[in-house]
Amino acid sequence: LAKTTQPISMDSYEGQEVNITCSHNNIATNDYITWYQQFPSQGPRFIIQGYKTKVTNEVASLFIPADRKSSTLSLPRVSLSDTAVYYCLVGSYNNNDMRFGAGTRLTVKP
Amino acid sequence: DTAVSQTPKYLVTQMGNDKSIKCEQNLGHDTMYWYKQDSKKFLKIMFSYNNKELIINETVPNRFSPKSPDKAHLNLHINSLELGDSAVYFCASSRPTGNANTIYFGEGSWLTVV
Repeated sequence: LAKTTQPISMDSYEGQEVNITCSHNNIATNDYITWYQQFPSQGPRFIIQGYKTKVTNEVASLFIPADRKSSTLSLPRVSLSDTAVYYCLVGSYNNNDMRFGAGTRLTVKP
Repeated sequence: DTAVSQTPKYLVTQMGNDKSIKCEQNLGHDTMYWYKQDSKKFLKIMFSYNNKELIINETVPNRFSPKSPDKAHLNLHINSLELGDSAVYFCASSRPTGNANTIYFGEGSWLTVV
């Protein structure tokens, strides 16, 4: 199972772009990369998922280099409400061992 | 409609008591989980069930016993509660999304043991 490493915390200001990188050096060929967001007092929720190159949705973009040993979650123009913990997970459809790492605590300041 | 619902949301109980947390998902998923999030905010997997069968049983005291009567339900029973059991317990379910898994979490159950 691919282990992930993320920065423990990050600070940003409203309106800035935030990039959170996750390392997963031993990612397997079938593994996908999924990012979750957790607000205080709530369960984590799905943000974005990808296999390679770039994926974009209404919330974020996910950049995955060719070697897939890392990925970067990009949040455009963050607001105070983006303050949360962000987790990256690596796994495939037949892997039910969904273990979360420590996550990155993002604090957005006014 | 709540996709993954768990009850109770808050539970305060005394040491030594036995309590249960119920979880139901209406998403038609085959896999369900219990996670524990302690005061340090680490989210640790406790159990994983696939089609009512236990897949993952982490290093969890045997005072914790999951029960899956059908694939839409995964309940957590805790015997002889201890102070260290105080935490937020999240139920979750997942489905394959293409070639990956996507997890859907409940809102959490805040357990306080006094």
